[in-house]
Amino acid sequence: DAGVTQSPTHLIKTRGQQVTLRCSPKSGHDTVSWYQQALGQGPQFIFQYYEEEERQRGNFPDRFSGHQFPNYSSELNVNALLLGDSALYLCASSFRGLGHEQYFGPGTRLTVT
Amino acid sequence: DAKTTQPTSMDCAEGRAANLPCNHSTISGNEYVYWYRQIHSQGPQYIIHGLKNNETNEMASLIITEDRKSSTLILPHATLRDTAVYYCIVRVAQGAQKLVFGQGTRLTINP
Repeated sequence: DAGVTQSPTHLIKTRGQQVTLRCSPKSGHDTVSWYQQALGQGPQFIFQYYEEEERQRGNFPDRFSGHQFPNYSSELNVNALLLGDSALYLCASSFRGLGHEQYFGPGTRLTVT
Repeated sequence: DAKTTQPTSMDCAEGRAANLPCNHSTISGNEYVYWYRQIHSQGPQYIIHGLKNNETNEMASLIITEDRKSSTLILPHATLRDTAVYYCIVRVAQGAQKLVFGQGTRLTINP
């Protein structure tokens, strides 16, 4: 049983560009959450998708958007990249109805130059 | 979600028990205590959770005080692979609810 997978592993972009990160949830999970982790900080919640809709959102600007597909996989899009967007982006999956655990992927390391 | 307070860093000798404290004095009656850890450059990993009773699994034990205002995560026989940042999180019991991470405790296991 594959766990949460994310792609790509690493990414380097230039200020002003746009980026798309991808996540496949653990088998049986229907909810995907995205987190941003700056160097030396704990992960910060960006938003969560369930039934292909954004259900919760953290304190992030509209430049951050997402999508969930019918197979529960998800994308995180960031427009007009800033240097401060450089971080580890983590995807976590869970089952909305039951269960206490969220399973995290290995993350995508985004560097904005 | 209730706020948690953890020491910034701790050290422990390999083979000894590592005891990581967490204060959550504003915890509500329907909030659980969760522990996650993050090994360098990996995604956070769920360890254990509890409401008011002590809990134990294959990874760790969780001791929650009777007033639920604090808890301790115990790694009974720490190994070098337990070196990580440990996060104590308090939230309501639904798997899909967002996790609010603090700074965590950086635990270093020394040989």
